[in-house]
Amino acid sequence: SSELTQDPAVSVALGQTVRITCQGDSLRSYYASWYQQKPGQAPVLVIYGKNNRPSGIPDRFSGSSSGNTASLTITGAQAEDEADYYCNSRDSSGPLWVFGGGTKLTVL
Amino acid sequence: EVQLVESGGGLVKPGGSLRLSCAASGFTFSSYSMNWVRQAPGKGLEWVSSISSSSSYIYYADSVKGRFTISRDNAKNSLYLQMNSLRAEDTAVYYCARVKGSPLYYMDVWGKGTTVTVSS
Repeated sequence: SSELTQDPAVSVALGQTVRITCQGDSLRSYYASWYQQKPGQAPVLVIYGKNNRPSGIPDRFSGSSSGNTASLTITGAQAEDEADYYCNSRDSSGPLWVFGGGTKLTVL
Repeated sequence: EVQLVESGGGLVKPGGSLRLSCAASGFTFSSYSMNWVRQAPGKGLEWVSSISSSSSYIYYADSVKGRFTISRDNAKNSLYLQMNSLRAEDTAVYYCARVKGSPLYYMDVWGKGTTVTVSS
């Protein structure tokens, strides 16, 4: 089965831009989706497809992809963006799903 | 309001069984595939199982295959996860999630989760 690799932790100064990356072979075949999870809460979808935001997600969140790497960019990070972020895609070897290990974002 | 509400979690001994339920409301449940996703304490998200809208296609993670059974009742707008031969490593919060399928594949609605603790 496929794996998705994320950096365990990333930090960003308040108001600055941060990019969270996700690498894996399955991303050559499928788009990544990105989920934000705050402590004690369920995950929330923030980006899906090429670069689509669900209703209610601020436009400072954006997504991109190149080769085997997908990226989530937060432009002008806010204190409320401090959370764990997970990438997810279908498994390239079958109709299964795979998550990245998650990235803990700290807003300084 | 589109909503998923899980129930059925609890404390169970190793080797025991538990059945989780997920009640859907606010959308046409029978039109969507559904996933179960779990999160062990302090760990990341792990996909557990998927079921298509008509139950024709069912898939499991290797970690639960042969022990867990996913099912649904479209008449009752409900999703289930029957968990047998439970192990300590199955201890987690279990979420149900609505699936948006081909070509994008993502989970757009999540429940708040139900906690399963496997311990003697």
